[in-house]
Amino acid sequence: DAGITQSPRHKVTETGTPVTLRCHQTENHRYMYWYRQDPGHGLRLIHYSYGVKDTDKGEVSDGYSVSRSKTEDFLLTLESATSSQTSVYFCAIGSGVRETQYFGPGTRLLVL
Amino acid sequence: GESVGLHLPTLSVQEGDNSIINCAYSNSASDYFIWYKQESGKGPQFIIDIRSNMDKRQGQRVTVLLNKTVKHLSLQIAATQPGDSAVYFCAENMNYGGSQGNLIFGKGTKLSVKP
Repeated sequence: DAGITQSPRHKVTETGTPVTLRCHQTENHRYMYWYRQDPGHGLRLIHYSYGVKDTDKGEVSDGYSVSRSKTEDFLLTLESATSSQTSVYFCAIGSGVRETQYFGPGTRLLVL
Repeated sequence: GESVGLHLPTLSVQEGDNSIINCAYSNSASDYFIWYKQESGKGPQFIIDIRSNMDKRQGQRVTVLLNKTVKHLSLQIAATQPGDSAVYFCAENMNYGGSQGNLIFGKGTKLSVKP
């Protein structure tokens, strides 16, 4: 998985609780991305980062926030989880725009 | 090809045969394309990429063909093996000025290899 780890790998939580997912890379790539993957949809971009403290919204950013205080870590937070956020979340890293993105192993999140 | 619902299109091939997986991309301004392989329970794995100044690119047992006229991308896998069974999807990078060109992903095709 190209030096990318995600934690936790599985999580079950209740509606209304906050959840934070962590992505850690050892590749020193500038770009980091959070995607969600759901049946019937391709991978959809939630948020991405193009440097420390530099982040921007993706296609499905509502209900999610991110932070990047270090090059190697990119956090995704669900401030108040909803059942519609039940999904598999993937982190990806890349060296630049129009360059390959490499994906982590994913976090499977179930919101009850 | 691209799926339109919960069920992915499936390509079933015999072990040892060649496989061709197709993808229609959406934007004529896209200039970078990637093929990924995703096995069950795992993250997408990079297979091969191609830029719009090329029509063909070869890797180990895989070839990607790009037809910009009809906005079509294909992945050819030679001598398909059971380990090639997975979902394959393409991604395109759209160049829209002044902003990050993020990848847009297709929904994928499931490749099933019969021994």
